[in-house]
Amino acid sequence: EPEVTQTPSHQVTQMGQEVILRCVPISNHLYFYWYRQILGQKVEFLVSFYNNEISEKSEIFDDQFSVERPDGSNFTLKIRSTKLEDSAMYFCASERLVGAESEQFFGPGTRLTVL
Amino acid sequence: SQQGEEDPQALSIQEGENATMNCSYKTSINNLQWYRQNSGRGLVHLILIRSNEREKHSGRLRVTLDTSKKSSSLLITASRAADTASYFCATDDRAAGNKLTFGGGTRVLVKP
Repeated sequence: EPEVTQTPSHQVTQMGQEVILRCVPISNHLYFYWYRQILGQKVEFLVSFYNNEISEKSEIFDDQFSVERPDGSNFTLKIRSTKLEDSAMYFCASERLVGAESEQFFGPGTRLTVL
Repeated sequence: SQQGEEDPQALSIQEGENATMNCSYKTSINNLQWYRQNSGRGLVHLILIRSNEREKHSGRLRVTLDTSKKSSSLLITASRAADTASYFCATDDRAAGNKLTFGGGTRVLVKP
């Protein structure tokens, strides 16, 4: 069964460093998302992406964040200068179509630890 | 409460018992989805119920939706130790784009 994959599973970085989190969505999906979950808290929406552009972003997704689909398969989240409060689990999700029956499928997540 | 709030926050039951958790939300929705998360792991999609549906079954899972009360329930019947996880509801509010809004989750512990 097709699934969303994410790499790395765990990333440790120093404050101020840039990180790139990678995702491979399900191949025939058209809508892509990043969410994050700070330890012990809710899953929060960061950004959605469709047709090679951002369709929506949350207040969390400030100028330090960017997303890219550099080729036909990868979908990346870049944090330009990490802060301690960026430590969280980051989930990528993809969706084939949008509609009442549409499901978002999540990857296993990347645990980002900022020291 | 915020969009997609679950209650109870935590639930402890014996294997074989049923587990029921509830979710409330505030806006109009297209669908409501339930996800499961094992500790520190990814989100596994369990079931989706459309706004025009009232009840849906999948294996040992039963989901209800009451749009007049803006609430949903997830019932896990004949629970197993392997059902120990956190369960989240997520609403898909098309008026606010395609994003999902998650609740805080219910932590379920099934004791063998």
